[in-house]
Amino acid sequence: DAGITQSPRYKITETGRQVTLMCHQTWSHSYMFWYRQDLGHGLRLIYYSAAADITDKGEVPDGYVVSRSKTENFPLTLESATRSQTSVYFCASRADPNRQPQHFGDGTRLSIL
Amino acid sequence: SQQGEEDPQALSIQEGENATMNCSYKTSINNLQWYRQNSGRGLVHLILIRSNEREKHSGRLRVTLDTSKKSSSLLITASRAADTASYFCATSGDSGGSNYKLTFGKGTLLTVNP
Repeated sequence: DAGITQSPRYKITETGRQVTLMCHQTWSHSYMFWYRQDLGHGLRLIYYSAAADITDKGEVPDGYVVSRSKTENFPLTLESATRSQTSVYFCASRADPNRQPQHFGDGTRLSIL
Repeated sequence: SQQGEEDPQALSIQEGENATMNCSYKTSINNLQWYRQNSGRGLVHLILIRSNEREKHSGRLRVTLDTSKKSSSLLITASRAADTASYFCATSGDSGGSNYKLTFGKGTLLTVNP
């Protein structure tokens, strides 16, 4: 089905481990985004991408790495997870930045012990 | 820092009543969008209003935009229990790389009591 899917939906890991969150969209949207959502902070942009092989930092990029070798995939990696990275992570995609809305996945709830 | 700030943070009403949520922002925008988030789910786009528009309707939703005051409001008429959710405004900047990044507020939690 068309849409944007995130995997896994839930993940528990330990501090210091590497973890990768996956995001896949079927619309061939140019723009993709990663947000984290925390109580009291709303949604904060981690990284974004305007096209394959073009990525840039958002508001809170420290401790995260992204790649975009294919238009449809935008994985987010926590290289050495910390407890402060416990959060709900949302991936989103968008076609035309001036006219079209952003489409969100259902999120990954990540707990770091 | 957050561009949009919603007000109130929480709103509780009875079914059938109207719900009004406000959003204020700080810098010039290309457009402003409203999203809904049900518990445990991703955000769903409701409505987009461009900076040269003043009002927009979609079903039971009415959005206004006042660029001179840097504010927007979302009105949900004849609310239903199914409207219970968090509502977020998001702004898209009007220049350079900021025009495709959305900046979200912290949201208004709407509870509609049956």
